[in-house]
Amino acid sequence: GAVVSQHPSWVICKSGTSVKIECRSLDFQATTMFWYRQFPKQSLMLMATSNEGSKATYEQGVEKDKFLINHASLTLSTLTVTSAHPEDSSFYICSATSAARMGSPLHFGNGTRLTVT
Amino acid sequence: GQNIDQPTEMTATEGAIVQINCTYQTSGFNGLFWYQQHAGEAPTFLSYNVLDGLEEKGRFSSFLSRSKGYSYLLLKELQMKDSASYLCAAMDSNYQLIWGAGTKLIIKP
Repeated sequence: GAVVSQHPSWVICKSGTSVKIECRSLDFQATTMFWYRQFPKQSLMLMATSNEGSKATYEQGVEKDKFLINHASLTLSTLTVTSAHPEDSSFYICSATSAARMGSPLHFGNGTRLTVT
Repeated sequence: GQNIDQPTEMTATEGAIVQINCTYQTSGFNGLFWYQQHAGEAPTFLSYNVLDGLEEKGRFSSFLSRSKGYSYLLLKELQMKDSASYLCAAMDSNYQLIWGAGTKLIIKP
């Protein structure tokens, strides 16, 4: 089955610093990657959709200058939280799919728990 | 607008059966997914229905009625490890997933 790897699993950073989260598809070429955020006891919230080689599409209310997404290859997408603040502390999860997999279940990375102090 | 409704929380007894319902409204429809999510972990795929009817997979079954915009996840022979949140998600015509808020299932001995 499809394997999606996400790194790091958890990170603690100081307010004002930037944090980069990586999402890799290990056994297929991911033309599309999704970035989600999940606050405690809440559902997944889609932040942005990125297609390889093009700019990410951000959901309403998500600041594209704060959450930088790069999808430069078919196996790697990165999310950079710039100038992090305590309110950015959350569980960030990526998932990946491809054109051939549209309509198939999404497979998720293991998530990254970000704590901003 | 697009919307998914599912109960916030349910409680069941170990060894029993529980049914988690989900209703959806989407722009177009390309299938209904159920995911399991343990606290602090990413969701894992459980089932996918795109045609009406019941899909059985071991202790878990999922049902879909497209005309009613309704699905349920049926869990049999409940085990303590089944305590988790169960997320219902419908895929719209653009292949975007619309997520429900999740149902927290509490299993008691």
